[in-house]
Amino acid sequence: GAVVSQHPSWVICKSGTSVKIECRSLDFQATTMFWYRQFPKQSLMLMATSNEGSKATYEQGVEKDKFLINHASLTLSTLTVTSAHPEDSSFYICSASRGAMGGNTIYFGEGSWLTVV
Amino acid sequence: QKEVEQDPGPLSVPEGAIVSLNCTYSNSAFQYFMWYRQYSRKGPELLMYTYSSGNKEDGRFTAQVDKSSKYISLFIRDSQPSDSATYLCAMPNQAGTALIFGKGTTLSVSS
Repeated sequence: GAVVSQHPSWVICKSGTSVKIECRSLDFQATTMFWYRQFPKQSLMLMATSNEGSKATYEQGVEKDKFLINHASLTLSTLTVTSAHPEDSSFYICSASRGAMGGNTIYFGEGSWLTVV
Repeated sequence: QKEVEQDPGPLSVPEGAIVSLNCTYSNSAFQYFMWYRQYSRKGPELLMYTYSSGNKEDGRFTAQVDKSSKYISLFIRDSQPSDSATYLCAMPNQAGTALIFGKGTTLSVSS
């Protein structure tokens, strides 16, 4: 099946620094990638949708200047958490779409645990 | 009313039990319905998907959609300890631009 790779799988950073998380579709071209955030025992909350070559669309309440998303190619999207604070500590998950939404066209990465100390 | 509602549980059953997981949704325009399984500290993996109403079976898993009631179910037969995970229902939003997830039900199967 299709594989989406996320890196790093976990990261610890100091408050005030920036962290970049990569999401790659390994065996297909993803026209659209999605970034989710998940707090413990909570569901996945969509943060933003990114299309290759264009600006990301952010969900209401998500600070676009804090969570920078770049979708530079059809196989790579990055999420940069800028000036991270302890409240940004969370599980960040990307997914990639290889076709029209629905059925088995969405594939998820393994997630990245971010801890800000 | 939230677009997708799911009882977070937790749900604890003995090995071999039949498990029923459910979600309700509010938008009658939803057509695709997915169930994802998420193990602790891992990304979700697609378990099953159905289109429109009806049943779909895959091994020990059966997905059921009742569009008239806006109710979807996932049944697990002969549950195993390895089924212990969080199960999330999901469906594309009306614009078809993103997935909307339920809160997830945490299942624990004891041996």
